Amino acid sequence: GAVVSQHPSRVICKSGTSVKIECRSLDFQATTMFWYRQFPKQSLMLMATSNEGSKATYEQGVEKDKFLINHASLTLSTLTVTSAHPEDSSFYICSAPSLSEQYFGPGTRLTVT
Amino acid sequence: AQSVTQLGSHVSVSEGALVLLRCNYSSSVPPYLFWYVQYPNQGLQLLLKYTSAATLVKGINGFEAEFKKSETSFHLTKPSAHMSDAAEYFCAVSAGRGGADGLTFGKGTHLIIQP
Repeated sequence: GAVVSQHPSRVICKSGTSVKIECRSLDFQATTMFWYRQFPKQSLMLMATSNEGSKATYEQGVEKDKFLINHASLTLSTLTVTSAHPEDSSFYICSAPSLSEQYFGPGTRLTVT
Repeated sequence: AQSVTQLGSHVSVSEGALVLLRCNYSSSVPPYLFWYVQYPNQGLQLLLKYTSAATLVKGINGFEAEFKKSETSFHLTKPSAHMSDAAEYFCAVSAGRGGADGLTFGKGTHLIIQP
């Protein structure tokens, strides 16, 4: 099946700094990718839809200026958490659809100290 | 709009016993339904999906689920639990494009297997 990778798998940053997370579709092209956030022992919440060549679509309540999404190519979407704070610490997961199925990346654990 | 309700945040069964994880959904359009499994600190793995074909869907690792429109349910079952089945299970719904849209997830059910 299709493979989606994320980098880094874990990142620790200081409060106030920015962190970039990459999501790549390794063997297929994806004009759309999705970003989810998962708090400990909770479900995944859709944050935004990343669209290749156009602006991302954010879910209600998600700050677009804080979570910058760039879909630079048909295989790469990036999520930048700007001016990170401890409450941004979470597990971030991306997915990409292929042939009516969503393929999920392994996730990125962000810890803001 | 769609939503998913998973009854029971934790389910404990004995090894070899039947596994039943419950999922009810609401959707304003015919839904696409999914079950995913997540192991600690890992991404999600698709167990099975319903996309308006057969109502009984067979997935990987011996799991299956039955779509019941009258009950708006999509419960996940496995006849005989194995220790390796211990994980978090998520039911999810997508409203359109054959599952190519963003998914709405239930809160998850933590499956515990007792030896």
